Amino acid sequence: GAGVSQTPSNKVTEKGKYVELRCDPISGHTALYWYRQSLGQGPEFLIYFQGTGAADDSGLPNDRFFAVRPEGSVSTLKIQRTERGDSAVYLCASSLGGRDTGELFFGEGSRLTVL
Amino acid sequence: AQSVTQLGSHVSVSEGALVLLRCNYSSSVPPYLFWYVQYPNQGLQLLLKYTTGATLVKGINGFEAEFKKSETSFHLTKPSAHMSDAAEYFCAVRKGGATNKLIFGTGTLLAVQP
Repeated sequence: GAGVSQTPSNKVTEKGKYVELRCDPISGHTALYWYRQSLGQGPEFLIYFQGTGAADDSGLPNDRFFAVRPEGSVSTLKIQRTERGDSAVYLCASSLGGRDTGELFFGEGSRLTVL
Repeated sequence: AQSVTQLGSHVSVSEGALVLLRCNYSSSVPPYLFWYVQYPNQGLQLLLKYTTGATLVKGINGFEAEFKKSETSFHLTKPSAHMSDAAEYFCAVRKGGATNKLIFGTGTLLAVQP
């Protein structure tokens, strides 16, 4: 498709379970970002990929969160031993990367609910 | 460190009235500034951006914003509100350096009354 695609759009899981959220960026975009948006808050940065490598993972809240982008395109955000506080909308964005002006193109998000 | 502050988490205007959403930034380097809009159950969409050059930038749907360095502000305006403008608006600043990540404000929810 033409835009950033995220799956699933909704995920309900139980506390302690493992979750994977997928992001398919715009074709040709080398930069990929994960954000988390809690109710009533702005998007909070989690991790940034330039190509296959995580260039900045300073926003990951703890070691239960991990993300990969093995081929420099699709990315997966992985959350282990989920907690109720992980409930949020997880947003993925992509950009051209390099020396672009920084405009990010966002997907519609994956809403995670941990019961 | 870069950050943004949005004054007013909720703003309500009448249809046809001026829209003014406030954003102040903090940046140690010349900033790149953005306004994004989020309609219910949709992703964030870029309204406009300031990088360099002209300080008054025009965006989609009749919105514009003016970069004022002396006031460290980037307020969003629209002369006449439309019902379809009801949404949440986020101001963001680009961190720069090795990462192009954006730092977002907490958002302003705009309600438009008939």
